[in-house]
Amino acid sequence: GAVVSQHPSWVICKSGTSVKIECRSLDFQATTMFWYRQFPKQSLMLMATSNEGSKATYEQGVEKDKFLINHASLTLSTLTVTSAHPEDSSFYICSASRLAAPEQYFGPGTRLTVT
Amino acid sequence: AQSVTQPDIHITVSEGASLELRCNYSYGATPYLFWYVQSPGQGLQLLLKYFSGDTLVQGIKGFEAEFKRSQSSFNLRKPSVHWSDAAEYFCAVGPQSGSSASKIIFGSGTRLSIRP
Repeated sequence: GAVVSQHPSWVICKSGTSVKIECRSLDFQATTMFWYRQFPKQSLMLMATSNEGSKATYEQGVEKDKFLINHASLTLSTLTVTSAHPEDSSFYICSASRLAAPEQYFGPGTRLTVT
Repeated sequence: AQSVTQPDIHITVSEGASLELRCNYSYGATPYLFWYVQSPGQGLQLLLKYFSGDTLVQGIKGFEAEFKRSQSSFNLRKPSVHWSDAAEYFCAVGPQSGSSASKIIFGSGTRLSIRP
């Protein structure tokens, strides 16, 4: 149990366009979802925390107008990178937690390349 | 300040040898403690977790970890490593905040290589 999927697994987009990444909890209800960014050979950097039906809470330094997060249901959260630039190229990973459970279950990640 | 330190950036061990990956944390109270493993280009998989009780916890893939409050440590061990254990390992801590999931803090990771 506790499987999280992400789609797409990789995406290439042109500078200035927007791209949406989906994160789904397949076999449990995710009351909280997290979005991370990971640079090569580095640890995870938390971008934002989202609770179902509420606005996301962004970490300091993360542009909320650039990285739009929606958590409309207990099994789906989306991250939209708007007006993407090459410096947004990265590995984006989501995670999900059940109600009253602190451990996070991670998706397989999405590799974004902006050309 | 809350932090997690993994002092070893890269460790190489021979296949069949024992392994210990170090993790120290700085936290205001006893936190939840986790070890995750990440294979290249993949997400993170939860190996084990400590919330309370027995300080020696067993995880998947033959891993175990011991919580030592006096040393603020949560080291990961495996008695005999396999080539498939080569990966990046992350120690993480989170608050015992009760009902809701809270953000957890990750260490910088330890890359494990296996010598044939």
